[in-house]
Amino acid sequence: DAGITQSPRHKVTETGTPVTLRCHQTENHRYMYWYRQDPGHGLRLIHYSYGVKDTDKGEVSDGYSVSRSKTEDFLLTLESATSSQTSVYFCAISLGTDYEQYFGPGTRLTVT
Amino acid sequence: SQQGEEDPQALSIQEGENATMNCSYKTSINNLQWYRQNSGRGLVHLILIRSNEREKHSGRLRVTLDTSKKSSSLLITASRAADTASYFCATRDTGANSKLTFGKGITLSVRP
Repeated sequence: DAGITQSPRHKVTETGTPVTLRCHQTENHRYMYWYRQDPGHGLRLIHYSYGVKDTDKGEVSDGYSVSRSKTEDFLLTLESATSSQTSVYFCAISLGTDYEQYFGPGTRLTVT
Repeated sequence: SQQGEEDPQALSIQEGENATMNCSYKTSINNLQWYRQNSGRGLVHLILIRSNEREKHSGRLRVTLDTSKKSSSLLITASRAADTASYFCATRDTGANSKLTFGKGITLSVRP
């Protein structure tokens, strides 16, 4: 257990509303990641962070923004949620020079 | 885009049998990692093999890497019903810094 929590764990929201998902870690790891998981697509990287205020885009970043103002928190925001953003979202941290990743429990987001 | 492609997509075996899962990738890598995901949970890191290694063992897990063929295999010996899960390979590509690229996963069912 790498001390990663995600909130909320489940959320249903309407199209066009803003949504923020939170990832919290307790061990001051530098690297944090947001993924989405969809059937047939596996795990796809949305954004990642390599330090406070240092973030970069992944392969599916359109429609998402992130912020990291503290080491322990990495926020993912959907500015205006769409039905295509219905998914399970996972946060992860990585350790060591091999960048093994450790995942949070996930957030199931439904956009109606 | 997906780097690792797992094969087969689904595998069903009897308890006690061995399970072999394969992963192919396209580019030069620093390491390749295997993860397990139980239904409704986050991914769990299983084992990592570096590009200069050919084989590693961890308990009932054996992973091989053939960089000339750009492929890896994960063998689970003496499978148990508790091994039922999805398995993902992930590559850390050369020059990718802290990012991993995940495949779409293999669903393993172990029948009691």
